[in-house]
Amino acid sequence: DTAVSQTPKYLVTQMGNDKSIKCEQNLGHDTMYWYKQDSKKFLKIMFSYNNKELIINETVPNRFSPKSPDKAHLNLHINSLELGDSAVYFCASSPRDSSSYTFGSGTRLTVV
Amino acid sequence: KNEVEQSPQNLTAQEGEFITINCSYSVGISALHWLQQHPGGGIVSLFMLSSGKKKHGRLIATINIQEKHSSLHITASHPRDSAVYICAALNSGYSTLTFGKGTMLLVSP
Repeated sequence: DTAVSQTPKYLVTQMGNDKSIKCEQNLGHDTMYWYKQDSKKFLKIMFSYNNKELIINETVPNRFSPKSPDKAHLNLHINSLELGDSAVYFCASSPRDSSSYTFGSGTRLTVV
Repeated sequence: KNEVEQSPQNLTAQEGEFITINCSYSVGISALHWLQQHPGGGIVSLFMLSSGKKKHGRLIATINIQEKHSSLHITASHPRDSAVYICAALNSGYSTLTFGKGTMLLVSP
């Protein structure tokens, strides 16, 4: 299946831990993104990568570090997790001309 | 104030009704997306518009670039249309999306 796949779907962890969320797309898209959906369901851009290169880094704490080993993968590593990091994180991808946008199914992160 | 404003925030309808959701934006955009998010959480892009009108089944989306306004219409609404509909502006140059806060639609049988 052609898609954007994220793992894990659910992640429950304690404050202070370090965790990673993985994202892979097999659509051949050049650009990948991480978006955060907060408790009020509002979505906001975190990072944008184009062909493994960081393009956008919105006002995200530096505890969040994206890593793109190749243009099909964009992983999100989070250090020293805080309660406020609890949210749903969506990976997405688009081709260079942004003619389409495909979202992963989301990772629900709960920090306790 | 969010750069992308949607209305209404919540919408209830009876099956068969015609539904309109509105979106206004204040940013420069290259296109506008209408997205659908079901209670299970997945997000699907319904339309991407840069001008005019698009139709897919019972869904119609329009955009007026001069007025910075877009509408999503659902004809003959059905309970399976119940979802959150999100308007998202595709920012010129960076391909990132700026989202509205969503419209929660509930269609009752």
